[in-house]
Amino acid sequence: KQEVTQIPAALSVPEGENLVLNCSFTDSAIYNLQWFRQDPGKGLTSLLLIQSSQREQTSGRLNASLDKSSGRSTLYIAASQPGDSATYLCAVKRGNNRLAFGKGNQVVVIP
Amino acid sequence: DGGITQSPKYLFRKEGQNVTLSCEQNLNHDAMYWYRQDPGQGLRLIYYSQIVNDFQKGDIAEGYSVSREKKESFPLTVTSAQKNPTAFYLCASSPPGPYEQYFGPGTRLTVT
Repeated sequence: KQEVTQIPAALSVPEGENLVLNCSFTDSAIYNLQWFRQDPGKGLTSLLLIQSSQREQTSGRLNASLDKSSGRSTLYIAASQPGDSATYLCAVKRGNNRLAFGKGNQVVVIP
Repeated sequence: DGGITQSPKYLFRKEGQNVTLSCEQNLNHDAMYWYRQDPGQGLRLIYYSQIVNDFQKGDIAEGYSVSREKKESFPLTVTSAQKNPTAFYLCASSPPGPYEQYFGPGTRLTVT
């Protein structure tokens, strides 16, 4: 069974610092990995999708890397802003078209 | 605008009543999903459907039922058999293959 872990559950950083969020998964047989953002009481917004054949994806201040062999992905957010405060979830897509989610990293960016 | 709509945003029910949550998408996606989110837990898959008139149980299907009569719609019924129905329910859809999954805004169900 695929297990996805995100540690720490919560973190705070001063505005302007780079954010580094980690995601680990137990089964390297994945189709892709997706990072999401969730604001309180809202649905999930897709940030980045990395296919299993890719090593990284970038969008603006966001960069996500994928190392399938070690079962890890890292989301970097450059020059964090208070508006980046949210919960970030990673999910891996399994062979049956299903996603397995981590519990998320709750981020607070302190002005 | 393309997207996924869920209604209502908040739903209150008495224990012992069945309740149906709506999910509609106009993205022309084949696959649709229902998740449940509880505080401190990740999203857990309830049911999913990869094509009209077909659906499969997810990890926590007990006490729930679904139908998929139209491509655009995937309603979820929370039955009285569900022991802890109070939660945040999220609907999602995706095209076939290794593509992104898109989420609706969610329905918060409270059962007292």
